Amino acid sequence: DAKTTQPNSMESNEEEPVHLPCNHSTISGTDYIHWYRQLPSQGPEYVIHGLTSNVNNRMASLAIAEDRKSSTLILHRATLRDAAVYYCILRVTGANSKLTFGKGITLSVRP
Amino acid sequence: NAGVTQTPKFQVLKTGQSMTLQCAQDMNHEYMSWYRQDPGMGLRLIHYSVGAGITDQGEVPNGYNVSRSTTEDFPLRLLSAAPSQTSVYFCASSPTSFYNEQFFGPGTRLTVL
Repeated sequence: DAKTTQPNSMESNEEEPVHLPCNHSTISGTDYIHWYRQLPSQGPEYVIHGLTSNVNNRMASLAIAEDRKSSTLILHRATLRDAAVYYCILRVTGANSKLTFGKGITLSVRP
Repeated sequence: NAGVTQTPKFQVLKTGQSMTLQCAQDMNHEYMSWYRQDPGMGLRLIHYSVGAGITDQGEVPNGYNVSRSTTEDFPLRLLSAAPSQTSVYFCASSPTSFYNEQFFGPGTRLTVL
């Protein structure tokens, strides 16, 4: 399975944008890029996913490099409630495709 | 909708005891799965099911059994608990195995002494 690499942690200030990077240099053409986040003492929560084009939803934006070897999750205005572990996951879409979680990146938000 | 529910929230077992972690969803989802999360680690897949009567092993299935007799329920059984099974267990569901979003329960924190 193709793997992802994320920094261990990142800090941001409240109400400022946050860019969370993810490297996936061995990504294959059928791998979708998924992001989940896990708030303290909760189960993971889906954030966003994409294949080639940049994607936006109510929670975040996903910017995918042209060669697809890296991507960036963008939180446009961080709030204290965005403090969480963010997981970048490659997932082959098809029958029985599974989520393989790494350690993720821990985002801290300063008031 | 209650979403994905898990019981109990906390459990302490002694080595060798057995127990069942319950998971239920009221969204009529076909796909359900169990993960465990050890401290400082990401989640690892234990077992999954693509529909009632169909289950399969994930990354770390040893020591765990599952069955899926109904669409709603996907219990995880520990037949003889070991300290290495101390972990937080999450159940997840999605409409199908290839649906993009999975919905996770709140977790069960299990300690085996």
